[in-house]
Amino acid sequence: GQNIDQPTEMTATEGAIVQINCTYQTSGFNGLFWYQQHAGEAPTFLSYNVLDGLEEKGRFSSFLSRSKGYSYLLLKELQMKDSASYLCAVTDSNYQLIWGAGTKLIIKP
Amino acid sequence: GAVVSQHPSWVICKSGTSVKIECRSLDFQATTMFWYRQFPKQSLMLMATSNEGSKATYEQGVEKDKFLINHASLTLSTLTVTSAHPEDSSFYICSARKQEGSYYEQYFGPGTRLTVT
Repeated sequence: GQNIDQPTEMTATEGAIVQINCTYQTSGFNGLFWYQQHAGEAPTFLSYNVLDGLEEKGRFSSFLSRSKGYSYLLLKELQMKDSASYLCAVTDSNYQLIWGAGTKLIIKP
Repeated sequence: GAVVSQHPSWVICKSGTSVKIECRSLDFQATTMFWYRQFPKQSLMLMATSNEGSKATYEQGVEKDKFLINHASLTLSTLTVTSAHPEDSSFYICSARKQEGSYYEQYFGPGTRLTVT
C-alpha cells in the first residue's frame, strides 16, 4: 500500500529552528511536495524535491533522500505566522498526489 | 504561479437540497482537476479526479451519484452535492494540475465551506 508518515503535532519557540520529518512508501516516485495550510484556508505550495539533496528557499529548506524514502522541511527564524499545518505529499507513478496527514506546528513566543 | 478560483466561498443550505460548487483555473488550461474534502483538524481527503471531456474517477467510498462532477471545459469543473445532509458539511477544496517544466504541480482554490442545516 501507499503510506506517508509525519508527526501529528510539533511545538517550537519564536526565533528558533524546527525540522518536520516525512517518510513515505509509494508505488513509484515522481517528486515530493511540502504545502503549508493555515486553519480554514486551502494549502499553499512551499517546495518541490525530485532529486536527492537540499533545496533552500529563504527561511524554508526541504531535503530529500529517495533511497531512504525520507524528507524533511526545515524552518528557520520561526515567526508566529508560521503556526500552521505542514503537509507532505508524494507524486506516485501515475502522477497522483498521495497526502500525509499533516503536522500541526505551534509556535510559542 | 497560477490562479484557481472557487465559488461560492461559503454556502449554507437546507437538508435535502443540492449545492453546486465551481472551480475555475483563471490563467491556464487544466485537463485534470481534483476535488478534496477536509474535516476539521484532519488532512485533505481526495474525493475524485476530474478529467476534461470524460467521466470523473471517484475514490473508494465516495458516492458518485451523490457528488456529481462535471469537467466540461479546460478551465471549469463543478461539484454538485445532491440531497445534502448535515454530515456533508465540510470544507471542499479543488485543485487544478499544471505542468511546470518536468513536473506537475497542483494549484489549489481557496475552498468552499458548506454547512447543511
